[in-house]
Amino acid sequence: QVQFVQSGAEVKKPGASVKLSCRTSGYSFTSYAIHWLRQASGQGFEWVAWIDPANGAPTFSQKFQGRVTLSRDTSASTVYMELSRLTFEDTAAYYCARGPATGNFDHWGQGTLVTVSS
Amino acid sequence: DIVMTQSPDSLAVSLGERATINCQSSQSVLYNSNNKNYLGWYQQKPGQPPRLLIYWASTRESGVPDRFSGSGSGTDFTLTINGVQAEDVAVYYCQQYYNRPSMYPFGQGTKLEIK
Repeated sequence: QVQFVQSGAEVKKPGASVKLSCRTSGYSFTSYAIHWLRQASGQGFEWVAWIDPANGAPTFSQKFQGRVTLSRDTSASTVYMELSRLTFEDTAAYYCARGPATGNFDHWGQGTLVTVSS
Repeated sequence: DIVMTQSPDSLAVSLGERATINCQSSQSVLYNSNNKNYLGWYQQKPGQPPRLLIYWASTRESGVPDRFSGSGSGTDFTLTINGVQAEDVAVYYCQQYYNRPSMYPFGQGTKLEIK
């Protein structure tokens, strides 16, 4: 079955960077986009970016342009997201999700909690 | 900015009754070339990631119980749960993908509780 497994929780200081991973299995890795979204505690969802695993091409939300780097390892069916210049407002659960051509998100990782604290 | 507005923010329904959640988009999500509404609904239970329930505004995702249904077109949409069960307690979100590949706004969520 389709599975998304994300890396563990992180605690970072303001100004630092964090790199998260999302390991996928159970389907053809290069056939679907992988998106990153985040959810602050008790809040709704904010879409961050997506990557085409077939060619590594990223697309970013304007809000995160310049602060997010996406990469992938096709041999490991894994996608990475690095968020730089962290602020307290970046404290949230970060999710990876599969994006079929329809445009919605049909499978999600369990989430990675990133806490920015001094 | 595209804004998705859900109503109500929360609702309490008795077991077996109907729950209705509304979602309004600040712009139409109906794509005229294929007559599809680019809108989905998700369910998020505490401590879990979201689960896709509905896409194309009314198409049920595989494995989703048929008590969940979606309707609407253009800018106004509804998620209906007929015969609410205890396991339906969750927060429900609408999301539009008309402006893909660079915008995927969500509604603020509607919390469903049992009365």
